[in-house]
Amino acid sequence: AQKVTQAQTEISVVEKEDVTLDCVYETRDTTYYLFWYKQPPSGELVFLIRRNSFDEQNEISGRYSWNFQKSTSSFNFTITASQVVDSAVYFCALASRGGADGLTFGKGTHLIIQP
Amino acid sequence: EPEVTQTPSHQVTQMGQEVILRCVPISNHLYFYWYRQILGQKVEFLVSFYNNEISEKSEIFDDQFSVERPDGSNFTLKIRSTKLEDSAMYFCASRGTSGSYNEQFFGPGTRLTVL
Repeated sequence: AQKVTQAQTEISVVEKEDVTLDCVYETRDTTYYLFWYKQPPSGELVFLIRRNSFDEQNEISGRYSWNFQKSTSSFNFTITASQVVDSAVYFCALASRGGADGLTFGKGTHLIIQP
Repeated sequence: EPEVTQTPSHQVTQMGQEVILRCVPISNHLYFYWYRQILGQKVEFLVSFYNNEISEKSEIFDDQFSVERPDGSNFTLKIRSTKLEDSAMYFCASRGTSGSYNEQFFGPGTRLTVL
């Protein structure tokens, strides 16, 4: 069985602070894929990043960065110099195999950026 | 940029009634999915569909649910006899296929309210 844990239910920071969202996953598969999605107040799910299990290289995209650590089964997401527009619920998700598997989502972290 | 579309954006129905939620996936995609999100909770996988048949379904996807791709462009989710607990946001998603598992693109969702 697969599982994604996002232990932080809600995080509130002041604008321009850095913030890290934690994600821990469980899977028995050796090949798997990790994702982050953003759900703004409008409700849609916006894809942010995909990471394959065989590629542990960390990634930076503007103010966003992701730290993938297989040894601790974690895929954490950091926002640098947060902005009010970053306020949203962020979901970490896992898929296994290359087939038709659906995504297993964590419960999400509600990020509040205060001006 | 191609996107997944869903209609209607909001559906209100009486308990026991049948509803059909419609989705138009991205045109060259081959895998299709339905997810639901009960208000304030995580996104849950319902079913995946490939090559005109169900590939995988979750425990939530019982006999009351069915999916269909009636005309090569639409992808529908039918709930035969709605229950109060079916009230949720329903997301359709699609993905293409390549050598690696690529990301799912989500539609804007249909909010189903069962009274």
